[in-house]
Amino acid sequence: DAGVIQSPRHEVTEMGQEVTLRCKPISGHDYLFWYRQTMMRGLELLIYFNNNVPIDDSGMPEDRFSAKMPNASFSTLKIQPSEPRDSAVYFCASSLETYTGELFFGEGSRLTVL
Amino acid sequence: KNQVEQSPQSLIILEGKNCTLQCNYTVSPFSNLRWYKQDTGRGPVSLTIMTFSENTKSNGRYTATLDADTKQSSLHITASQLSDSASYICVVSEKEYGNKLVFGAGTILRVKS
Repeated sequence: DAGVIQSPRHEVTEMGQEVTLRCKPISGHDYLFWYRQTMMRGLELLIYFNNNVPIDDSGMPEDRFSAKMPNASFSTLKIQPSEPRDSAVYFCASSLETYTGELFFGEGSRLTVL
Repeated sequence: KNQVEQSPQSLIILEGKNCTLQCNYTVSPFSNLRWYKQDTGRGPVSLTIMTFSENTKSNGRYTATLDADTKQSSLHITASQLSDSASYICVVSEKEYGNKLVFGAGTILRVKS
């Protein structure tokens, strides 16, 4: 299996622009998570899905952030409009059956908002 | 508030030496505790998982210990290699509140030749 696939790996954009990050989870994994990692705050859970349904989005910082999972093999995280403080590495992770299962992370998308 | 504290924040050791990383948590009750290794520019990868009843678990040169009474875990690395240079993150799973994962800030390890 190719593992969790994220794109783009790097994104540089200007403040106010829309950013879309993409994720393909491991086939057969029922849970998908979006995390944000910064030096100051470490890894923070933004939202997670179970069987394509959003379960907990309490970590989404503002209405500027939205996430979708239209099918079992694809998810997006969108930021509109982007701000410099959104600069971070965004990770997608998937897991097999339960929330306490091992998380398999993608390589991350490094976002820089100028 | 459920927290996971890791120490030291960073560590530099010589290749071939041993080291121990610490993780203290206040999460209670908890389901399990995992150590993840995150190489620079990569996503975290699970090294070990420990449940409440386990005291020690090994994965090659990595040995994790757990003391559920004192709420402490350690990750011991034996005969360190340059490839061990990474961030090591302790993650505790809450048993309640939907088994939410609580992440430590990580320990950055640098192994020098």
